[in-house]
Amino acid sequence: DAGVTQSPTHLIKTRGQHVTLRCSPISGHKSVSWYQQVLGQGPQFIFQYYEKEERGRGNFPDRFSARQFPNYSSELNVNALLLGDSALYLCASSLYFQGPYEQYFGPGTRLTVT
Amino acid sequence: KQEVTQIPAALSVPEGENLVLNCSFTDSAIYNLQWFRQDPGKGLTSLLLIQSSQREQTSGRLNASLDKSSGRSTLYIAASQPGDSATYLCAVRPSAGGTSYGKLTFGQGTILTVHP
Repeated sequence: DAGVTQSPTHLIKTRGQHVTLRCSPISGHKSVSWYQQVLGQGPQFIFQYYEKEERGRGNFPDRFSARQFPNYSSELNVNALLLGDSALYLCASSLYFQGPYEQYFGPGTRLTVT
Repeated sequence: KQEVTQIPAALSVPEGENLVLNCSFTDSAIYNLQWFRQDPGKGLTSLLLIQSSQREQTSGRLNASLDKSSGRSTLYIAASQPGDSATYLCAVRPSAGGTSYGKLTFGQGTILTVHP
């Protein structure tokens, strides 16, 4: 079975631009979470979605938004990019957002803002 | 606010050594704790998941323990190999309730180098 997939793998954007990152969860998984990992640090929680509803939000500005589609895939959108948004963006999926379910991570999207 | 700390930040050992990585967390109200491995520039691979009611989990050469009351977990790697070189991250998940239920809080990781 395919694991969590993310696209694109790498992305270079200019300050002020907008970016959309995509994630497809493991088949059968209904919950998707997004994390930002700046170089040298652990991942930071951005959002969690379950059944197309936002179930959790981390301490990120409103420039960050996300949504989940009926097929449980998800998009993360970042507006007005700043240099500090350069990071590895990780998507994780799990069966549900409650209960003893593991989160499985994708390979990430490397975003560079110049 | 949950804070997770990992010690040491970096570790270099010769092949064959047994080693211990440490993780501590400030809020003991956790649902479970996961240990991950991350290769440079790559995503996270889950190694072990310990539920709050468990004391330890084992997978091959890896053994993770959890002492929830003291806010500590250790990852023990037996007979280390060069292929074990990677960053090891621990993450805790809060107990049920609230909007942060599914959120994982990560430590900054331990960079492990095993040299031949």
